[in-house]
Amino acid sequence: DADVTQTPRNRITKTGKRIMLECSQTKGHDRMYWYRQDPGLGLRLIYYSFDVKDINKGEISDGYSVSRQAQAKFSLSLESAIPNQTALYFCATSDAYRVGSDTQYFGPGTRLTVL
Amino acid sequence: GESVGLHLPTLSVQEGDNSIINCAYSNSASDYFIWYKQESGKGPQFIIDIRSNMDKRQGQRVTVLLNKTVKHLSLQIAATQPGDSAVYFCAVSSAGGTSYGKLTFGQGTILTVHP
Repeated sequence: DADVTQTPRNRITKTGKRIMLECSQTKGHDRMYWYRQDPGLGLRLIYYSFDVKDINKGEISDGYSVSRQAQAKFSLSLESAIPNQTALYFCATSDAYRVGSDTQYFGPGTRLTVL
Repeated sequence: GESVGLHLPTLSVQEGDNSIINCAYSNSASDYFIWYKQESGKGPQFIIDIRSNMDKRQGQRVTVLLNKTVKHLSLQIAATQPGDSAVYFCAVSSAGGTSYGKLTFGQGTILTVHP
């Protein structure tokens, strides 16, 4: 979905390096999410934010941190990257104020490789 | 907690056939169900959703069926086309408790459509 953009799209880094993945959205949604996808697995939630002042851990938050700089921006950091963090990372948004909808809209993903 | 599973990890069909992808969920409090399509190199795209007050919903060439009694969800694709080849994920959420505002994803089914 072009309304949700992620940078970079691909990144190769080394063990121990600090990495930041960025997500921006023009959908005007309050809720933003970071997921990780590994081969053969579904998407697993890392962190989520229901508004600028709200940050919550997901099921696999260890080794990650996030920052919600504005309604439209949500970044994911790996403070000290390790090889098992090699994965596809997706950002998603949803509209808290659309009654009855929990639909999440995804960005194109970032492919991260940690050597 | 919520767990979501799929009956088959892969499905191979001929062009023009109907496809059925199944999903089972565990939490009887789940009240929102959604199907996503993920093509290679892209983020998941919304296909169709359904709430627990319904048992069937139709879209363009797609139908979602919900059986709350056995906690089962299916996606039917009519007249499957090669462009339907992708990974299909089901996801569920519930309005209350720790699942509020979050989706739990299944592992995905790989659909391959042969011309």
